[in-house]
Amino acid sequence: DIQMTQSPSTLSASVGDRVTITCRASQSIGVWLAWYQQKPGKAPNPLIYKASTLEGGVPLRFSGSGSGTEFTLTISSLQPDDFATYYCQQYDKYPLAFGGGTKVEIK
Amino acid sequence: QVQLVQSGAEVKKPGASVKVSCKASGYTFTDYYFHWVRQAPGQGLQWMGWINPNSGDTNFAQRFQDNVTLTRDTSISTVYMELSSLTSDDTAVYYCVRATCGGATCSPPLDYWGQGTLVTVSS
Repeated sequence: DIQMTQSPSTLSASVGDRVTITCRASQSIGVWLAWYQQKPGKAPNPLIYKASTLEGGVPLRFSGSGSGTEFTLTISSLQPDDFATYYCQQYDKYPLAFGGGTKVEIK
Repeated sequence: QVQLVQSGAEVKKPGASVKVSCKASGYTFTDYYFHWVRQAPGQGLQWMGWINPNSGDTNFAQRFQDNVTLTRDTSISTVYMELSSLTSDDTAVYYCVRATCGGATCSPPLDYWGQGTLVTVSS
C-alpha cells in the first residue's frame, strides 16, 4: 500500500503569510494527488486534484505542484478563512490513502 | 445542486452493527460512484471502499473486507454502509463521497461529500 506523509503536522502563520505544505508518497504516484481543506465539525472540502488543477470556486491564492513522490500546496497570502487542516490524498492506486494532515493555526 | 444527505448519529454497543444511509440529489444517481471515508475523533481520514450504484459492484480496503457491506437502492437514490462486529475503534465520523468513477485515477477523485454521520461505540 502507498503511504502518504505530510509536513509539518502543525504550522503557525499570520494573515498575509505565504504558506507551503509538503506531501510525500512512499512510491511514485505520477500526478494523481488531491488536496482537501477541513474545518472543525465539517466535511473535507476539495481544493486541488491532479496535483495542480484547482476545483471550481477555489481562490487563486491556492496552488499545487509536484509529481512522482513529492508535492506541495501553497497559499500565496493566508486569509482568515484559510485557518484549517489540510490533507493530501493519493489516487494512483487502491487503497486510496490520505496524509496525516497539516493544521494551519493563527500565529 | 448536488447534495449528499446522510442519516443521523448512532450509538451502538460493542459487537453490534450499524447501517448508515446517504441520499443523493441534484444529479443522475447511477452516473457516479460512492466512496466511504471515516475519521476517528481528532484523527485523519481513512478510505473504506466504494460502490458502483449502477451495477452494485464494490471494492474495499483490505481492513474492511470482512465487516463492511455497501448496498444501494436506486429507486430512492440512496446508498448504505453497514459495519458489523463494532468495537470502540470504530467510533468515528463516516462520510459518503461522490466520485467520477471506480478507477483509481479518475479525476477529480472525490468531489462531493456528505455531512458525515457520527457512530459512537460504547458499552
